Amino acid sequence: DQQVKQNSPSLSVQEGRISILNCDYTNSMFDYFLWYKKYPAEGPTFLISISSIKDKNEDGRFTVFLNKSAKHLSLHIVPSQPGDSAVYFCAARDMEYGNKLVFGAGTILRVKS
Amino acid sequence: ETGVTQSPTHLIKTRGQQVTLRCSSQSGHNTVSWYQQALGQGPQFIFQYYREEENGRGNFPPRFSGLQFPNYSSELNVNALELDDSALYLCASSQGQGRNNSPLHFGNGTRLTVT
Repeated sequence: DQQVKQNSPSLSVQEGRISILNCDYTNSMFDYFLWYKKYPAEGPTFLISISSIKDKNEDGRFTVFLNKSAKHLSLHIVPSQPGDSAVYFCAARDMEYGNKLVFGAGTILRVKS
Repeated sequence: ETGVTQSPTHLIKTRGQQVTLRCSSQSGHNTVSWYQQALGQGPQFIFQYYREEENGRGNFPPRFSGLQFPNYSSELNVNALELDDSALYLCASSQGQGRNNSPLHFGNGTRLTVT
């Protein structure tokens, strides 16, 4: 069972525009959500996170929104840059397992210049 | 500050063999987790080690085992390799068992191919 879903396998955006990556989850025990970025031949790099008690967290060009009632979160990147092209993973922490993260399958973002 | 380092970067093994993957955690981190990432999927949790003991395990069979050493480095051992074990194996470290909101920091992984 996929507890974290990223339904868009890929997304293509023009440089300077907004990129919106979406993620849905099913487990109400998730208390902390993270976004990771991954380049080929590298491990995932932490990008931004949000606690379940908040609905928004912002860090520079990156903003994560959490809608607990809909069990949905999104990552906004504004403005998008070609260097943002990577695979983006949504992850959720399972409270019952400490630091165990449950990942989505990822979304490939391509930012065109 | 030294990040998470993993060795080797690539490995080719034959079905039925055994493999050991190694990980050095980021300085100051005392918790290590291992994840398996199959092609086209997100990383899947294998297990976590804290203070040299396994304190969480995902849906992986007992032939996946691990160790954590006093310096917080870790090993992942896989016995009786199967073709489906071919994947990228990622090690991640963090401070504490994860009850605080500290993100995991990942290494670049070991690409294992089983033929």
